[in-house]
Amino acid sequence: KNQVEQSPQSLIILEGKNCTLQCNYTVSPFSNLRWYKQDTGRGPVSLTIMTFSENTKSNGRYTATLDADTKQSSLHITASQLSDSASYICVVSAGGNKLVFGAGTILRVKS
Amino acid sequence: NAGVTQTPKFQVLKTGQSMTLQCAQDMNHEYMSWYRQDPGMGLRLIHYSVGAGITDQGEVPNGYNVSRSTTEDFPLRLLSAAPSQTSVYFCASSYAISNYGYTFGSGTRLTVV
Repeated sequence: KNQVEQSPQSLIILEGKNCTLQCNYTVSPFSNLRWYKQDTGRGPVSLTIMTFSENTKSNGRYTATLDADTKQSSLHITASQLSDSASYICVVSAGGNKLVFGAGTILRVKS
Repeated sequence: NAGVTQTPKFQVLKTGQSMTLQCAQDMNHEYMSWYRQDPGMGLRLIHYSVGAGITDQGEVPNGYNVSRSTTEDFPLRLLSAAPSQTSVYFCASSYAISNYGYTFGSGTRLTVV
């Protein structure tokens, strides 16, 4: 069964600190892996898209990694800001519109 | 450039009522889709369209209907609302069906009582 598991479920960090969110997947075939940020009451916004051949991609203070062999991805947030408080969703594409969404990690950044 | 616009933002329905959730995009995207988001679960695909006049079912289509008469609009109809349809609904669009990022609307929070 195609699944995307994210950990932790929720996380609280102090402003200015770094954090790493994890995504493990069992999706086949694999087309690409996406990370989205979803603010409360808003729709998800794309952060990165990585294909099989890419193992790192950055978007400002966000850096995503992909290990296609172990079927793991991580999203690293550097020097966190209050505006980083959101749900972060890992999505794996099996091709076409076959997207498998994780349940998300809720991040809260405290001052 | 408004992106993907969804209306209404909030709606309360009684069991058995019908309604239409509106979705419009101004990016000339061919691909549009509807998802529902329930607590503790990932988004699930309800219906999708790869162009005007073409629609197909997703993972959880029962109780919903769609049509795509123009590139811009992709309304979602609830035929006879049930409490199990209480959810947050997102419309998304993309340049093509695969390998492109999706642009999501801000969602419609629907409660069926």
